[in-house]
Amino acid sequence: GENVEQHPSTLSVQEGDSAVIKCTYSDSASNYFPWYKQELGKRPQLIIDIRSNVGEKKDQRIAVTLNKTAKHFSLHITETQPEDSAVYFCAASRFGNQFYFGTGTSLTVIP
Amino acid sequence: GAVVSQHPSRVICKSGTSVKIECRSLDFQATTMFWYRQFPKQSLMLMATSNEGSKATYEQGVEKDKFLINHASLTLSTLTVTSAHPEDSSFYICSADGTGGNGYTFGSGTRLTVV
Repeated sequence: GENVEQHPSTLSVQEGDSAVIKCTYSDSASNYFPWYKQELGKRPQLIIDIRSNVGEKKDQRIAVTLNKTAKHFSLHITETQPEDSAVYFCAASRFGNQFYFGTGTSLTVIP
Repeated sequence: GAVVSQHPSRVICKSGTSVKIECRSLDFQATTMFWYRQFPKQSLMLMATSNEGSKATYEQGVEKDKFLINHASLTLSTLTVTSAHPEDSSFYICSADGTGGNGYTFGSGTRLTVV
């Protein structure tokens, strides 16, 4: 099956700085890569996603890049704010709905 | 749109008893539902995929006789944890996909504590 690795496991940044989280996947047939933000005890919330036919996607302060050849994708958050503090999960999917999640990154934005 | 309701949100049960968790798609028909388990400070692990009207497909290492999944209608899937043990304590969360959903809608999760 698919194996998704995520780094770093923890990340602390100063407010206003950028944060980058990286994931790799093993199944070359995966074609959908969402990123989720999860606050303690709550359900994951989709923040951005990218499909395999696109190399980059941006939504305000959040962007995702995908390198299909290298099988890795990254989340970029610019101008970080304290409310960005949460656990972020990447996921890979072959059919667009059966997800295999990365191990998560705990992001702390220091005011 | 695409709302998924999960019930109960929290449950505490005694070791050896069974617990049923419900996952409902409120405004769309969910032909496929997924069940995940999340231990504290860990990632979401796919347990099984359930398709309406057929047997669930379990991921490797997940005991199908312990985690019973029923998807009898297009709006409801249930996960029953049978003969629960303390090590089954976890956050269980479902995800539903269907004709009306976008395939990526999660339920609110169920915190199971087995004492």
